[in-house]
Amino acid sequence: DAGVIQSPRHEVTEMGQEVTLRCKPISGHNSLFWYRQTMMRGLELLIYFNNNVPIDDSGMPEDRFSAKMPNASFSTLKIQPSEPRDSAVYFCASSLLGDQPQHFGDGTRLSIL
Amino acid sequence: AQSVAQPEDQVNVAEGNPLTVKCTYSVSGNPYLFWYVQYPNRGLQFLLKYITGDNLVKGSYGFEAEFNKSQTSFHLKKPSALVSDSALYFCASGINNAGNMLTFGGGTRLMVKP
Repeated sequence: DAGVIQSPRHEVTEMGQEVTLRCKPISGHNSLFWYRQTMMRGLELLIYFNNNVPIDDSGMPEDRFSAKMPNASFSTLKIQPSEPRDSAVYFCASSLLGDQPQHFGDGTRLSIL
Repeated sequence: AQSVAQPEDQVNVAEGNPLTVKCTYSVSGNPYLFWYVQYPNRGLQFLLKYITGDNLVKGSYGFEAEFNKSQTSFHLKKPSALVSDSALYFCASGINNAGNMLTFGGGTRLMVKP
């Protein structure tokens, strides 16, 4: 079975540019999560969706960040404009509703110069 | 509010020795608990979970964890460590009626030396 697929795996761009990260969840999963991981702050939940509807976006750092889930098989996380402090590894995860484990993609390593 | 604590940033153990990675949780209600492992340049991988029932849970790669309600702990254990077990380990908790949202601990780096 294909797991959670994230693209790109690496992104290097200059500050001020728009960055779009993409995620394809596991087919049939109805919850999707975006996380950010840094050495300083560890693993942070940014936003999550149930059945394509955003449920909790309290972890989104500021208005420069936005996330969408137009259908059950695709989600994006956008940063506009990007800043060097946004440099991190961004993970997408999906799961079934209930007490089921989350399945993580291998992340996008983002570097903002 | 939920919280998960992993009191050790790093655990060092010799290959062949037993290992324990500690986790304590604080939730209102009955939690469900998970352990994940992260290898370099990879996402977190599910190891095992406790929902209800037997307090000793067995998972992947020979790992097990013991749920202790009185001590609010869920320590990860393995009888005999392998060098390949060296990785970053995360404990996480969730509760019913919170969607599928999990609260993660800060992670513990396990170093197994030959």
